[in-house]
Amino acid sequence: GAGVSQSPRYKVAKRGQDVALRCDPISGHVSLFWYQQALGQGPEFLTYFQNEAQLDKSGLPSDRFFAERPEGSVSTLKIQRTQQEDSAVYLCASSPDRAQFFGPGTRLTVL
Amino acid sequence: AQSVTQPDIHITVSEGASLELRCNYSYGATPYLFWYVQSPGQGLQLLLKYFSGDTLVQGIKGFEAEFKRSQSSFNLRKPSVHWSDAAEYFCAVGGFGNEKLTFGTGTRLTIIP
Repeated sequence: GAGVSQSPRYKVAKRGQDVALRCDPISGHVSLFWYQQALGQGPEFLTYFQNEAQLDKSGLPSDRFFAERPEGSVSTLKIQRTQQEDSAVYLCASSPDRAQFFGPGTRLTVL
Repeated sequence: AQSVTQPDIHITVSEGASLELRCNYSYGATPYLFWYVQSPGQGLQLLLKYFSGDTLVQGIKGFEAEFKRSQSSFNLRKPSVHWSDAAEYFCAVGGFGNEKLTFGTGTRLTIIP
């Protein structure tokens, strides 16, 4: 079956632009997670949804970061007024229970 | 606070040799433990997981890991590596009622002929 998909795979933004990153989870997975992976580092948690409810957003680095999952399926991570330090790979994962399955990620480069 | 330490940043192993990647964790309750593998430009693939029960867990691609509570460790092993095992390996910890995963910084595995 299909895995987690993310789009776009690559995004280049000028500093100050807004970007939107999309995640399509595995069908039927209740939980959805966003992580940020800086170069040479492990992924770091950003936020977590159970169905459409955002249960944990403690990892979002600033109020410029916003995530939503309005119908409990597809999720969008939005970054407003991008900064150079936002350059990273953004990973989405979905889970039916306790194991998380990751998408290929979106590599964001802010110039 | 939960944390994961992977002491080895980079390991080089000959093809056909055995492999052990180290992982130490800190978690205040019974942990859920995971190993993921990441190839360049790819997402993370789940190799194996430990929730409870038998402390020796088997995963995909011939990998296994052993949970040792007394040592707070969850080391990954493979008896004979293949060139296709070259990748970055991440250990992660979570727990019951704590769905987010905390990852280590990863170990890069290089395979030489």
